[in-house]
Amino acid sequence: GDSVTQMEGPVTLSEEAFLTINCTYTATGYPSLFWYVQYPGEGLQLLLKATKADDKGSNKGFEATYRKETTSFHLEKGSVQVSDSAVYFCALSSGGTNAGKSTFGDGTTLTVKP
Amino acid sequence: DAGVTQSPTHLIKTRGQHVTLRCSPISGHKSVSWYQQVLGQGPQFIFQYYEKEERGRGNFPDRFSARQFPNYSSELNVNALLLGDSALYLCASSPSWSYNEQFFGPGTRLTVL
Repeated sequence: GDSVTQMEGPVTLSEEAFLTINCTYTATGYPSLFWYVQYPGEGLQLLLKATKADDKGSNKGFEATYRKETTSFHLEKGSVQVSDSAVYFCALSSGGTNAGKSTFGDGTTLTVKP
Repeated sequence: DAGVTQSPTHLIKTRGQHVTLRCSPISGHKSVSWYQQVLGQGPQFIFQYYEKEERGRGNFPDRFSARQFPNYSSELNVNALLLGDSALYLCASSPSWSYNEQFFGPGTRLTVL
């Protein structure tokens, strides 16, 4: 079945540092890939997405590229801010009859210190 | 436009009790999915409903059930609560059953004592 593996956290960075959170996946067919962010006590917010190979999703300075050859969707940001502190989830949706079922990684907690 | 809403926000129950959680999707969205998020883990898929019919079910026991109403809102019911049912329950909506992107509500925090 489908699965998502994220790098284990937590990750602690200083403000303006470079961020990479690794994500690899296993899925049949050609899934859509997502990064969600969850702030304390809140639900999930979609951060970015990519629907086909070589697509780059981007939002709020975050980027991730859909790499089919390495089955990866790593999240990057060039300069993190304290406000980026949150839990980040990588997820996939296989589409079709499974479109309403997203498979998530276990999340990576990011803490950015001033 | 209002996003996905869920009620209640928090809930405390004791073992063996029953609970009903409610979700209202974004206006115009016909598909609702439910997820369970245990502390420290990613959300796990429980159900998807579309046009009042179950479209998918995750690996959860029969104590979990759900339904969708004509206005596309949905209820998740859990019977005979166990301590392990303590979690954040998330509802997500999308325009149709085959639409990949989902829009999540704030969740209901269930604590079972």
